[in-house]
Amino acid sequence: DIQMTQSPSSLSASVGDRVTITCQASQDIRNFLVWYQQKPGRAPKVLTIDASKLKTGVPSRFSVGGLGTHFTFTISGLQPEDVATYFCQHYDSLPVTFGPGTTVDI
Amino acid sequence: QITLRESGPTVVKPTETLTLTCSFSGFSLTTTREGVGWVRQPPGKALEWLAMIYWNDDAYYNPLLKRRLIVTKDTSENQVVLTMIDMQPADTATYYCAYRPWVAVGDFFDPWGQGTLVTVSS
Repeated sequence: DIQMTQSPSSLSASVGDRVTITCQASQDIRNFLVWYQQKPGRAPKVLTIDASKLKTGVPSRFSVGGLGTHFTFTISGLQPEDVATYFCQHYDSLPVTFGPGTTVDI
Repeated sequence: QITLRESGPTVVKPTETLTLTCSFSGFSLTTTREGVGWVRQPPGKALEWLAMIYWNDDAYYNPLLKRRLIVTKDTSENQVVLTMIDMQPADTATYYCAYRPWVAVGDFFDPWGQGTLVTVSS
């Protein structure tokens, strides 16, 4: 199975800050990566797919990149509503696996 | 608009069997490449994929849990059912069902149901 790691596991930043999360796959997953946002007590929501595409309606302060085994997720200008846990998930093959999550706080 | 909702017991005893139902709307689960997946999340922990069933009745399972899981669908009722045998306290988690979009090139989930917390306790 493909293992996904994320760093950091948590971070605290100020409103307006730029924050970056990294996600690493244990083997090449091409661009088959999705990022989810999960707010406390809520189900995960898709923010981006195919490693680089923002879902329609997702604010442009979110950006993503990467290919192969190393991926990044950036919030440029952190907002209070961005407080959440962010998970990456590969979908290169079954079983799909998730990263352990990064909790973003203000 | 696609919606999913999980239902089932909130508490099960150790060694019992868990049966969860995912009731969905906004899709039929008959379109090529459509699917419904199950994912769980122990309190405060990461997400774990459990199973997937596709439009054509193909079903796949997490290898670590395969011997304990069965997923079926009833498209006439717009439901997917997950059965998990031999529940243990470590299986305490929020269980989600989620839609695998037909347009997707791979198996990710959008949207998800609200989730249902299942506690395993005697």
